[in-house]
Amino acid sequence: DVKVTQSSRYLVKRTGEKVFLECVQDMDHENMFWYRQDPGLGLRLIYFSYDVKMKEKGDIPEGYSVSREKKERFSLILESASTNQTSMYLCASSPTHRANNSPLHFGNGTRLTVT
Amino acid sequence: LAKTTQPISMDSYEGQEVNITCSHNNIATNDYITWYQQFPSQGPRFIIQGYKTKVTNEVASLFIPADRKSSTLSLPRVSLSDTAVYYCLVGSGTYKYIFGTGTRLKVLA
Repeated sequence: DVKVTQSSRYLVKRTGEKVFLECVQDMDHENMFWYRQDPGLGLRLIYFSYDVKMKEKGDIPEGYSVSREKKERFSLILESASTNQTSMYLCASSPTHRANNSPLHFGNGTRLTVT
Repeated sequence: LAKTTQPISMDSYEGQEVNITCSHNNIATNDYITWYQQFPSQGPRFIIQGYKTKVTNEVASLFIPADRKSSTLSLPRVSLSDTAVYYCLVGSGTYKYIFGTGTRLKVLA
């Protein structure tokens, strides 16, 4: 089974802090994704990466950046955390470069609270 | 990008068959239709995927009409543990998956 591991289940940070959310997958998948999930808004794509050092903006990239130095690891960075970034963050991966029939495998999420 | 529309919520009783319909009027020729299930405090989990007609696995069936503008996820004989949010996705043709707000299914005893 594919395993997508997010480093923290719960995080509490202060406004203005730099925050790193880490995600590791163990199946040599090409694609990795970061979503945030908020009540009533479903899952929204922040960034995705289809190869090492490659990244593409999703629908809500503002206030975030990402890093993919190794194939198995995809990091989401909040340069200066704000209270409106309090959310559940979900990392996912998929095996091929074609999205059409390549299901996503999700981690269990990191619930971030910014105070 | 193919947008999906699903009912916000549904209730059912244990042992019943549940059908959740998703509309995707702008589906592209190469797009697949994929359904996910999400329990509280967990990431979504892949259930089933199809391109046309009918697909069945050990968990669910997926019905897709000829025009592919909608699809129906069918869960046979649901139990309390099937209470979850169900998402319908249509492949965007690139690397992006667009999730809607999903259908919250509540199974009652």
